[in-house]
Amino acid sequence: AQSVTQLDSHVSVSEGTPVLLRCNYSSSYSPSLFWYVQHPNKGLQLLLKYTSAATLVKGINGFEAEFKKSETSFHLTKPSAHMSDAAEYFCVVRGGYSTLTFGKGTMLLVSP
Amino acid sequence: DGGITQSPKYLFRKEGQNVTLSCEQNLNHDAMYWYRQDPGQGLRLIYYSQIVNDFQKGDIAEGYSVSREKKESFPLTVTSAQKNPTAFYLCASSMSRTGGEETQYFGPGTRLLVL
Repeated sequence: AQSVTQLDSHVSVSEGTPVLLRCNYSSSYSPSLFWYVQHPNKGLQLLLKYTSAATLVKGINGFEAEFKKSETSFHLTKPSAHMSDAAEYFCVVRGGYSTLTFGKGTMLLVSP
Repeated sequence: DGGITQSPKYLFRKEGQNVTLSCEQNLNHDAMYWYRQDPGQGLRLIYYSQIVNDFQKGDIAEGYSVSREKKESFPLTVTSAQKNPTAFYLCASSMSRTGGEETQYFGPGTRLLVL
């Protein structure tokens, strides 16, 4: 069985400042990990994924995440926030089969 | 233009009524999934299908039914047995049935409201 904990339900940043969205996971298998973004009333868009290759994963729109097995973490970062980054972000783990387990989401608010 | 389409965008259900949500993909993906999204709950898996004419229950299958008669289509029926159907429903698909890089691609969603 696997689970995901997103440590913050909301994160507020100012435009141009760094973004950190935290995610911890547990999995009985060697996990695959994903970050998805959802803008209001839209479907989910894949930001990036980790599948046991490089531990630092680069995604779209300047986001990246680092897989740390010792800390069971997969935090999402971006050096400089943009207004268009305001959305809800989901950390997701895939265990030994094809189904995914989603975190409860972190709402990112970006102020001018 | 490949992708996943869901219809309708908004759907209203009367008490005791069954309604069906459509999901179609032209990505030639084997596997398809239905999720329910409630505020603050993330996404929860309702049903999934890894091959035509086969499907499995997810975490919250009660009150829902599905069919997979064609590879590109995976309709979800919300039955009258589902007592709290108001939610945002998301359909997804992925290329392979087992193993590999199981990236799931999502449709735009259907919002179901109860009258």
